[in-house]
Amino acid sequence: DGGITQSPKYLFRKEGQNVTLSCEQNLNHDAMYWYRQDPGQGLRLIYYSQIVNDFQKGDIAEGYSVSREKKESFPLTVTSAQKNPTAFYLCASSAGGTLEETQYFGPGTRLLVL
Amino acid sequence: AQSVTQLDSQVPVFEEAPVELRCNYSSSVSVYLFWYVQYPNQGLQLLLKYLSGSTLVESINGFEAEFNKSQTSFHLRKPSVHISDTAEYFCAVKRNGFKTIFGAGTRLFVKA
Repeated sequence: DGGITQSPKYLFRKEGQNVTLSCEQNLNHDAMYWYRQDPGQGLRLIYYSQIVNDFQKGDIAEGYSVSREKKESFPLTVTSAQKNPTAFYLCASSAGGTLEETQYFGPGTRLLVL
Repeated sequence: AQSVTQLDSQVPVFEEAPVELRCNYSSSVSVYLFWYVQYPNQGLQLLLKYLSGSTLVESINGFEAEFNKSQTSFHLRKPSVHISDTAEYFCAVKRNGFKTIFGAGTRLFVKA
């Protein structure tokens, strides 16, 4: 069964702590994305990666970091520099290489600050 | 710059009534248009998309959207909604490159 998995479903962060959100896909997609969703603001792009070992900042990259060492994995680290991390985080992937390809989303991780 | 405006943040409607969720975009060049649906505490799923050709596109569960180039709109409609259609709906636009721009979302609430 192909798809995208995100873990954990809920994550709690203490002040000054870095936390890492996992995203794995078995769709053989080249491109992967991280979005942040806040109520009434839609989805905002944090980082995206078009190919292994390469990634670009999105619209709200400050306080976040990513890596893309394997095609199927695109973890997101929320650093202590991100002062307002409480949000719903969505990972997505797409086949890449064409303009119209659909994005496939994972179930999301809800991050809460203690 | 590209932008997507969803004109209604919430749309309450009774079951079996028709509904329209409005979406306008700004772009001076050709774009690809999408509607995604998000059920509570889940990720987004593609509902339908317009790439080219016929301006009316349909989904398998009775939704349809019409691309109107002159009005730069891509409104989503369903002639008769069900309780199970309660969800948040996102309009999205894609041009060159890998970035997709999402609207702020419209929460559809279907009442019995």
